[in-house]
Amino acid sequence: DAKTTQPPSMDCAEGRAANLPCNHSTISGNEYVYWYRQIHSQGPQYIIHGLKNNETNEMASLIITEDRKSSTLILPHATLRDTAVYYCIVSDIQGAQKLVFGQGTRLTINP
Amino acid sequence: DSGVTQTPKHLITATGQRVTLRCSPRSGDLSVYWYQQSLDQGLQFLIQYYNGEERAKGNILERFSAQQFPDLHSELNLSSLELGDSALYFCASSARPDREQFFGPGTRLTVL
Repeated sequence: DAKTTQPPSMDCAEGRAANLPCNHSTISGNEYVYWYRQIHSQGPQYIIHGLKNNETNEMASLIITEDRKSSTLILPHATLRDTAVYYCIVSDIQGAQKLVFGQGTRLTINP
Repeated sequence: DSGVTQTPKHLITATGQRVTLRCSPRSGDLSVYWYQQSLDQGLQFLIQYYNGEERAKGNILERFSAQQFPDLHSELNLSSLELGDSALYFCASSARPDREQFFGPGTRLTVL
């Protein structure tokens, strides 16, 4: 599975959009980009995933660059409850799809 | 609430002992995954089962074993416990291996 690089920490003001970047320059054609988050020591929570096109759901938007070497997770109106560690994961959807978690980005939403 | 349940929530035991962690997947999910989260290693994939059969193995120690039963619940057995096995153990489930995973609340294991 391709390796991802994320900033270790970010801050965002409550009510503003939080943009979390992820670099995955060695991604291969059959690998998807997944985002999960972990609030404190709770179980990780699935947010969104995509292959090439931008994706949006009720939680967030995922913007993937045309060359697929990087992506950005956007939380449009961050709340204090969005404070968490966000993990960007690249995974081959064929076969077992085990998730390889890196260190993630610790996002702090400030009032 | 993800729909995945794990028991017990907390477990305190001594070195050399054996414990069993239990996971019930979301209704209808056939795939179960086990992960370990320790302070120094982060979240690591251990093993996956799909409809009762082992599908993939990660960094799982030989002292650890798992199985998935016909009712689809899964158990992770940890034996000859060492201090370094102290960690959060998460179970996740998905409808199929190519779908998103839903994680349980975890079992916190403390080995003294």
